[in-house]
Amino acid sequence: DSGVTQTPKHLITATGQRVTLRCSPRSGDLSVYWYQQSLDQGLQFLIQYYNGEERAKGNILERFSAQQFPDLHSELNLSSLELGDSALYFCASSASSSTDTQYFGPGTRLTVL
Amino acid sequence: GENVEQHPSTLSVQEGDSAVIKCTYSDSASNYFPWYKQELGKRPQLIIDIRSNVGEKKDQRIAVTLNKTAKHFSLHITETQPEDSAVYFCAEGTGTALIFGKGTTLSVSS
Repeated sequence: DSGVTQTPKHLITATGQRVTLRCSPRSGDLSVYWYQQSLDQGLQFLIQYYNGEERAKGNILERFSAQQFPDLHSELNLSSLELGDSALYFCASSASSSTDTQYFGPGTRLTVL
Repeated sequence: GENVEQHPSTLSVQEGDSAVIKCTYSDSASNYFPWYKQELGKRPQLIIDIRSNVGEKKDQRIAVTLNKTAKHFSLHITETQPEDSAVYFCAEGTGTALIFGKGTTLSVSS
């Protein structure tokens, strides 16, 4: 157990819908990262938050957004869902920067039908 | 842009043999290189990492070597066991994110 929690474990929804994924970092970690893992794309970095502020953006679509709250938990919002958004979404946390060890949560499996 | 190339994409070995996975990176400013192991449907788990001020690091049957001049780093697993079967990812820490290789599926047969 890494200490990073994610809910829900599974999400099944329809195209065009909107979903919210939630992540709680390890106690004391200030940085939260979101990654998307699909079969053909590997682990793709989406976005990083540090202590409530956006720190870095990767290959995140405009239909996706995220935020980090004062208690440091983070939410990833996915809207206007498409079939191709079906993937495993992982959250990771680290003490501060991306060159600190990142610990991954168990992931949320999103299926868009 | 930032890119990590990982080879091979699949690797099959007999139990007890060694396995080597290699990665090359492009950003000369990168200074952190972790390796993750991911079993089917599970989270990536850190197995070893190395920073740019070190050329080699070892932890029991696992070792990582780093050549900053050539911009490549390698994972070495000795005396492989069936439970080593998984997908292994290398990554490059650029200061803003981890950039992952596409993974190597290691199969260890007994």
